[in-house]
Amino acid sequence: EPEVTQTPSHQVTQMGQEVILRCVPISNHLYFYWYRQILGQKVEFLVSFYNNEISEKSEIFDDQFSVERPDGSNFTLKIRSTKLEDSAMYFCASSDGRDTPYEQYFGPGTRLTVT
Amino acid sequence: RKEVEQDPGPFNVPEGATVAFNCTYSNSASQSFFWYRQDCRKEPKLLMSVYSSGNEDGRFTAQLNRASQYISLLIRDSKLSDSATYLCVVSSGGYQKVTFGIGTKLQVIP
Repeated sequence: EPEVTQTPSHQVTQMGQEVILRCVPISNHLYFYWYRQILGQKVEFLVSFYNNEISEKSEIFDDQFSVERPDGSNFTLKIRSTKLEDSAMYFCASSDGRDTPYEQYFGPGTRLTVT
Repeated sequence: RKEVEQDPGPFNVPEGATVAFNCTYSNSASQSFFWYRQDCRKEPKLLMSVYSSGNEDGRFTAQLNRASQYISLLIRDSKLSDSATYLCVVSSGGYQKVTFGIGTKLQVIP
């Protein structure tokens, strides 16, 4: 069964550093998403991406965040200057966008720890 | 009012019991509805989409009441493996953002 993959599984970084989280969505999917989940809190939408551009973003997704699809398979989330409060689990998801409802399938997540 | 509201629980039920979770949402224009399950420190996994007519998948039944802006999930004959957090998810439509509830924790006890 096809699945979304994410790397790394755990990233530790110092405050102020840049991090790039990587995702490989399911191969025939057209819509891609990033979410975050702070420990003990709910899953929060960050951004959706379609046809090489952002289709929607939340208020969390400020100028320090960016997304990119550098090639036909990878989908990345960059955090330019990490803060302590960016420590969370980051999930990538994808959906095929062909049949409603647009069911999203999640990757295993990257645990980001900012020290 | 929260966009998606759930009772966080925990619900502790014996094996074999029937348990029901409810969820309310605030945006009347919401178009798509889902239940996901999440195991501790794992990703959300799609359990089922929720259709207006209600739908069933084995031991799981989901219902949607648009008038009351209310979604439910019924689990019959609970198994130990059903222990997880059940997330109510509401979408404004299409590929747009989805909003998650805080989740309801279920613990099935032997």
